[in-house]
Amino acid sequence: AQTVTQSQPEMSVQEAETVTLSCTYDTSESDYYLFWYKQPPSRQMILVIRQEAYKQQNATENRFSVNFQKAAKSFSLKISDSQLGDAAMYFCAYGGETSGSRLTFGEGTQLTVNP
Amino acid sequence: DTAVSQTPKYLVTQMGNDKSIKCEQNLGHDTMYWYKQDSKKFLKIMFSYNNKELIINETVPNRFSPKSPDKAHLNLHINSLELGDSAVYFCASSLPRLAGPTSTDTQYFGPGTRLTVL
Repeated sequence: AQTVTQSQPEMSVQEAETVTLSCTYDTSESDYYLFWYKQPPSRQMILVIRQEAYKQQNATENRFSVNFQKAAKSFSLKISDSQLGDAAMYFCAYGGETSGSRLTFGEGTQLTVNP
Repeated sequence: DTAVSQTPKYLVTQMGNDKSIKCEQNLGHDTMYWYKQDSKKFLKIMFSYNNKELIINETVPNRFSPKSPDKAHLNLHINSLELGDSAVYFCASSLPRLAGPTSTDTQYFGPGTRLTVL
């Protein structure tokens, strides 16, 4: 079974600074997807970014980018120019070819943005 | 023009009652899901339906029964509610995962239903 680990329960960053959230996963599959979701206090789950495992290029979405290291099974999220609205719980998630359509989530990292 | 909607958003009920949560998506997706988020914010899959057919049924008590009247709707009925059922329940939907690297299976979530069992 696949597992996803987020080793940082809490992180904090100053507004306008950069922060990196860590995620590692364990799988024997070759074709899979990785996601970062954001859950603000409103509890809505919002897709931040996705990465296909077959792509070597790291995904980017505006201020959000990932560092995908397939051999190391690592998938970190970098948030540049942090804004107060970035404060939320961030979840790393895995979706693989043999796990049906399910997503396996990490435990989450609570990000605080200090003004 | 909400993509994935759930009703109700809050549900407070007594132990032993039966309750339902409804989910609808207007994204044209074929696959729908129910996830449970516990008090520690951990998210876990409960069920998945593809075009009205059950494809994932995790180790969930049989007091939980999903029903999909059509591919745009997936409801969750819970019998004999227990204290431990208190959680946030999320509905999600996605396109079906096709073979090959170009398929997409990004899941889009509803706003969640916070269930409190007293």
